[in-house]
Amino acid sequence: AQKVTQAQTEISVVEKEDVTLDCVYETRDTTYYLFWYKQPPSGELVFLIRRNSFDEQNEISGRYSWNFQKSTSSFNFTITASQVVDSAVYFCALSEVQSDSNYQLIWGAGTKLIIKP
Amino acid sequence: GEEVAQTPKHLVRGEGQKAKLYCAPIKGHSYVFWYQQVLKNEFKFLISFQNENVFDETGMPKERFSAKCLPNSPCSLEIQATKLEDSAVYFCASSQWRTGAYEQYFGPGTRLTVT
Repeated sequence: AQKVTQAQTEISVVEKEDVTLDCVYETRDTTYYLFWYKQPPSGELVFLIRRNSFDEQNEISGRYSWNFQKSTSSFNFTITASQVVDSAVYFCALSEVQSDSNYQLIWGAGTKLIIKP
Repeated sequence: GEEVAQTPKHLVRGEGQKAKLYCAPIKGHSYVFWYQQVLKNEFKFLISFQNENVFDETGMPKERFSAKCLPNSPCSLEIQATKLEDSAVYFCASSQWRTGAYEQYFGPGTRLTVT
């Protein structure tokens, strides 16, 4: 069955430290998409990245980077030189294409990231 | 419009009362998804539509929840006889035809508080 696991419930670091949020997924599909969303205290969902299962290239966007490894079914998210504004809950999600999941997003439980000044 | 609109932003209902939430998808998007986020952050898929047709309703608690997407009207999610456990933020998302698997645009959510 499909599943997304974010084992870290809460992470607290001091500003300017690097931090990695873990995401492990389970799926039987060979074609799927992985996502990261940010949910700041204001509550809205902010889309960060989408990755398809055929593209294992790591991606960097400013201070954000993502490491996708199919061999370990992981899609980890690293924030370099963290800032207070990065404080939020971060969600990893999975969308399958071939199964009968009908495009619904399967969500991890979220990791609450606290950046202390 | 260019954004998914959800109304109201906040809704407070006494236990047993009815609650109705609305979602206007992005113009031209044919898929609409409803997700429930309960207080511990857990997201649960409720239902999806392809135009006005139910696409997937496997997540819907059918006894008290119902949803519709009618032509030329916002989609709606209705909860009859709300319970305390229905307190959550309800997110609506929309997508274009065939991109639903990889591109869902989310609205700002409706926070439902059942007292």
